[in-house]
Amino acid sequence: GESVGLHLPTLSVQEGDNSIINCAYSNSASDYFIWYKQESGKGPQFIIDIRSNMDKRQGQRVTVLLNKTVKHLSLQIAATQPGDSAVYFCAESTFTGGGNKLTFGTGTQLKVEL
Amino acid sequence: DADVTQTPRNRITKTGKRIMLECSQTKGHDRMYWYRQDPGLGLRLIYYSFDVKDINKGEISDGYSVSRQAQAKFSLSLESAIPNQTALYFCATSDLTTSGLSSYNEQFFGPGTRLTVL
Repeated sequence: GESVGLHLPTLSVQEGDNSIINCAYSNSASDYFIWYKQESGKGPQFIIDIRSNMDKRQGQRVTVLLNKTVKHLSLQIAATQPGDSAVYFCAESTFTGGGNKLTFGTGTQLKVEL
Repeated sequence: DADVTQTPRNRITKTGKRIMLECSQTKGHDRMYWYRQDPGLGLRLIYYSFDVKDINKGEISDGYSVSRQAQAKFSLSLESAIPNQTALYFCATSDLTTSGLSSYNEQFFGPGTRLTVL
C-alpha cells in the first residue's frame, strides 16, 4: 500500500494475476477519490474515480473499492498485463471555496513479471 | 495528454537564476494547477487557479510564483532557483462537474518538465 517515505512501495505480480493496490486517505470530509496511473516519463493519467456516496465502482478490468469507515481505498486490476506496469497514485478531493483540490498519495510501483 | 502542453520539457540551470515554466491547454478548462513530484513523495500542489482572476497557494508555494495570463495559459516561476527545487513539475487542468449534492473534478496532466538546479 501507499505510505509516506523516501522509498516507493512496490507490488510485483505475475502476468495474468489480479493486482490489488491499497491507499489510506486522511480527510473524512473528502467527497471524491481518483486513481491515476503514471508511466515512466509521462504525466499521471486518470484510471477510475469514485464518489463518497458509493463503495464500489467498476471499469474495464479495474475496480475501485471505498471503505469510508476506515478511510481506505483500493484499486483492483484484473488479469494484470505488462502494460499495467507503472506507478499508481490515489488522490482525495476536498472542496475548498470555489473548487476542489486533490491531495495525492505517495504512489505504488506495480511491476508485472512475465 | 496532448491537450495540455508544457515547455520546456527539460531544463538545467544554475543556483540563483530565474526560471519560468509554461503550461498551455486546449481543453477549455477554467482550472489549472502546478505540482512538483519528488521521488517517494508523490505529487505536491504548488499553486492553483480556478479562473483567470483567481490564484491560490498550495501546500509548497514558498520560492515559487505563478501568472495566469489567459484561460489557456498558466506559468510557474522560480525567482531565484535553488538546488532543492530540482524536481519534476507537472501542470494540470480540470473542469467542474456537479451531480446531486457533490461536486467533483478530474484533472488532466501535462507531460511534465524535468528541472535540474545545479
